[in-house]
Amino acid sequence: RKEVEQDPGPFNVPEGATVAFNCTYSNSASQSFFWYRQDCRKEPKLLMSVYSSGNEDGRFTAQLNRASQYISLLIRDSKLSDSATYLCVVSITGGGNKLTFGTGTQLKVEL
Amino acid sequence: NAGVMQNPRHLVRRRGQEARLRCSPMKGHSHVYWYRQLPEEGLKFMVYLQKENIIDESGMPKERFSAEFPKEGPSILRIQQVVRGDSAAYFCASSPDREKLFFGSGTQLSVL
Repeated sequence: RKEVEQDPGPFNVPEGATVAFNCTYSNSASQSFFWYRQDCRKEPKLLMSVYSSGNEDGRFTAQLNRASQYISLLIRDSKLSDSATYLCVVSITGGGNKLTFGTGTQLKVEL
Repeated sequence: NAGVMQNPRHLVRRRGQEARLRCSPMKGHSHVYWYRQLPEEGLKFMVYLQKENIIDESGMPKERFSAEFPKEGPSILRIQQVVRGDSAAYFCASSPDREKLFFGSGTQLSVL
């Protein structure tokens, strides 16, 4: 079983749609959680951290369910510029905070 | 404040040659991480370094690969006697606090 699993997609959605991605992780000792965004094999960029209480940043909402070991990302009012690969990332704090990446979910927002 | 600088952006090597990838972390960052991304795969952790020390190299192949982060100068990822399977994008990241990582633009290594 992969440490971090994501549906690779692609998710093709029209502009303005709401889209949700889920991610599951296998290590119950994971303590920090993030969503990164990667465009066309460029460098990953931090989108947002994910907290147990859930957090929102503009059109983006992230949720963490520790009991079920899954993380979600909700994007409202999708823009063409949201087209990218979204990477679910977890780490076990301690020992250098090594990040473990999922393979990513591809989103394509269309006119 | 310049971001994480990696060079070269593209590196072409023939089988058996050595590849040297350089990474200059952001100013004030003392933690450096190297990741590898194979085509159609996710980023895989290779090694975590602080100045002059390798902290975690659990993701790095035992043979042909080495990394350093000297007191002065950039971090270097060295691959000796490259093979076609080493072709990948190699990303370096730095962090001030081991929490948030900032990635460089990567080095695309192609082995002929």
